[in-house]
Amino acid sequence: NAGVTQTPKFQVLKTGQSMTLQCAQDMNHEYMSWYRQDPGMGLRLIHYSVGAGITDQGEVPNGYNVSRSTTEDFPLRLLSAAPSQTSVYFCASSYGSGFDNSPLHFGNGTRLTVT
Amino acid sequence: GQSLEQPSEVTAVEGAIVQINCTYQTSGFYGLSWYQQHDGGAPTFLSYNGLDGLEETGRFSSFLSRSDSYGYLLLQELQMKDSASYFCAVRGQTGNTPLVFGKGTRLSVIA
Repeated sequence: NAGVTQTPKFQVLKTGQSMTLQCAQDMNHEYMSWYRQDPGMGLRLIHYSVGAGITDQGEVPNGYNVSRSTTEDFPLRLLSAAPSQTSVYFCASSYGSGFDNSPLHFGNGTRLTVT
Repeated sequence: GQSLEQPSEVTAVEGAIVQINCTYQTSGFYGLSWYQQHDGGAPTFLSYNGLDGLEETGRFSSFLSRSDSYGYLLLQELQMKDSASYFCAVRGQTGNTPLVFGKGTRLSVIA
């Protein structure tokens, strides 16, 4: 049981480049979400999804796009990378709707540097 | 919106007890959760309080007082491996609001 798998683990981009961070879960969880973590800022929600075909914005959505075509996958796209997007990105999923007390299961993170 | 306050750093001695406090402000309230994160690792779920009182899981306990908008995580018999960051998190506003995290408390356990 792999849980939540994120790829790549590390990535360096130049300003203006685009890329997709991959996230897949094999627990048949309906709820998936993306957080970014910066020093001293905790975990801030970027986008989330309560099921295939449904996505919504979190606290810091600007510069990011998501889609949810399957239950298993929830990729995060950076449209035009900026140095302010240098961060650690975590994907998380949960069994419930995401609006109950079901615990979040996190992937191991993608460490992104934009130069 | 929602906001959470927790101390940025706490230091405690191995074998001792430490309490990490969390105060929150939300227009609604749907439970307080705690997560642990070791350096370089992913956050992992520790506990959840939906009602007032104490929840115990081994060496870890979590407490909630909804009237005071306050909770804490209590770690007993501290071990070096407990050195990590601890995050409180709430859902609020409405029932359809995702989890919002505090900025985290970095716990250092010293010998």
